Amino acid sequence: DAGVTQSPTHLIKTRGQQVTLRCSPKSGHDTVSWYQQALGQGPQFIFQYYEEEERQRGNFPDRFSGHQFPNYSSELNVNALLLGDSALYLCASSSTARGSWTGELFFGEGSRLTVL
Amino acid sequence: GQNIDQPTEMTATEGAIVQINCTYQTSGFNGLFWYQQHAGEAPTFLSYNVLDGLEEKGRFSSFLSRSKGYSYLLLKELQMKDSASYLCAVRVSSASKIIFGSGTRLSIRP
Repeated sequence: DAGVTQSPTHLIKTRGQQVTLRCSPKSGHDTVSWYQQALGQGPQFIFQYYEEEERQRGNFPDRFSGHQFPNYSSELNVNALLLGDSALYLCASSSTARGSWTGELFFGEGSRLTVL
Repeated sequence: GQNIDQPTEMTATEGAIVQINCTYQTSGFNGLFWYQQHAGEAPTFLSYNVLDGLEEKGRFSSFLSRSKGYSYLLLKELQMKDSASYLCAVRVSSASKIIFGSGTRLSIRP
């Protein structure tokens, strides 16, 4: 049973560029959440997707956008990159099915973005 | 607003017991999680509390007091591999938004 997979694992961009990060959730999971984790900090909630719609959003600017596909996979897009966007971007999946309901998050290994 | 507080760093001795505290003030509450994160790795689920009281799982236990907005993670018989960051997280609504504290970096010394 594959867990949460993310790609790419590492990438380097320059200021002003755009980036797309990808996530495939754990089998059987229908909800994807994205987090930004700066070094030495806890994950910061960006947004959550369910049924192909953004259901919840954290305190991030509109430069951060996302998408969920019918197969539940998801993308995170960041436009006009800033130096401060350098971080580990974590995708986490969960299930709304009552049978598995602690609703815990299962995390991927993350995409480490460096903006120069 | 949302606020989750936990100590930044702690140190403990191999074989001993350590308690990591977490206090929270959130706009809603629908469960509290503890996650472990080793350096350079993804967080992994440790425990979940939604009702007051103690949940025990092997060497790890987690306690919740909803009236006090307080939780702790208790680690017994510490091993060197327990050196990691421990993240306290709150689900603030039934719609599954989960927010994290900044984490407690635990160092185990021989």
